[in-house]
Amino acid sequence: GQSLEQPSEVTAVEGAIVQINCTYQTSGFYGLSWYQQHDGGAPTFLSYNALDGLEETGRFSSFLSRSDSYGHLLLQELQMKDSASYFCAVKYYGNNRLAFGKGNQVVVIP
Amino acid sequence: GAVVSQHPSRVICKSGTSVKIECRSLDFQATTMFWYRQFPKQSLMLMATSNEGSKATYEQGVEKDKFLINHASLTLSTLTVTSAHPEDSSFYICSARDRSGGWGETQYFGPGTRLLVL
Repeated sequence: GQSLEQPSEVTAVEGAIVQINCTYQTSGFYGLSWYQQHDGGAPTFLSYNALDGLEETGRFSSFLSRSDSYGHLLLQELQMKDSASYFCAVKYYGNNRLAFGKGNQVVVIP
Repeated sequence: GAVVSQHPSRVICKSGTSVKIECRSLDFQATTMFWYRQFPKQSLMLMATSNEGSKATYEQGVEKDKFLINHASLTLSTLTVTSAHPEDSSFYICSARDRSGGWGETQYFGPGTRLLVL
């Protein structure tokens, strides 16, 4: 079977750093994407990792360890607008389907 | 670039009616589009993969006669919820894959359609 495990919710203050973890058990793994979704909105793409290591995009960075079937998204210098749900999603070999994790809600407080 | 639109953004209908949702890639060609459903506080669940010029591929448990998908052109896919019932009320989101992209590209999501069946 396949599962994407993510913790459910985290609250942090502005300026703090939050790390969201994602573990997966899947055959045919190709890459791991991260999406942000504000309440009532559509998912927006944040980052993608196909190889081990770190991908940095501004205040956000994503990490992948294929040997550990693990990835994480690091949110730095948190701002109020970062309050949203964050999803990891696995891309499979052979097709372009994405399997989304359960999501992690981040609440940023002043 | 890479804009995907959906129409309508919100629809309320009576039980038993059919509802059509359009998904358009505005500035790129999409050979493949995906339809997701999302219930409140839950993740996105893939319903089907829509391929231009061929039949859609449905995920296990999704009734193809209930959720009709048509991908008639490289920029348009439609999802029709037939004989809608209250349990079909959900947030329906499409995404599109850029035809010119390789394995490293991502899917671009539409803004979603919120369906409420009374």
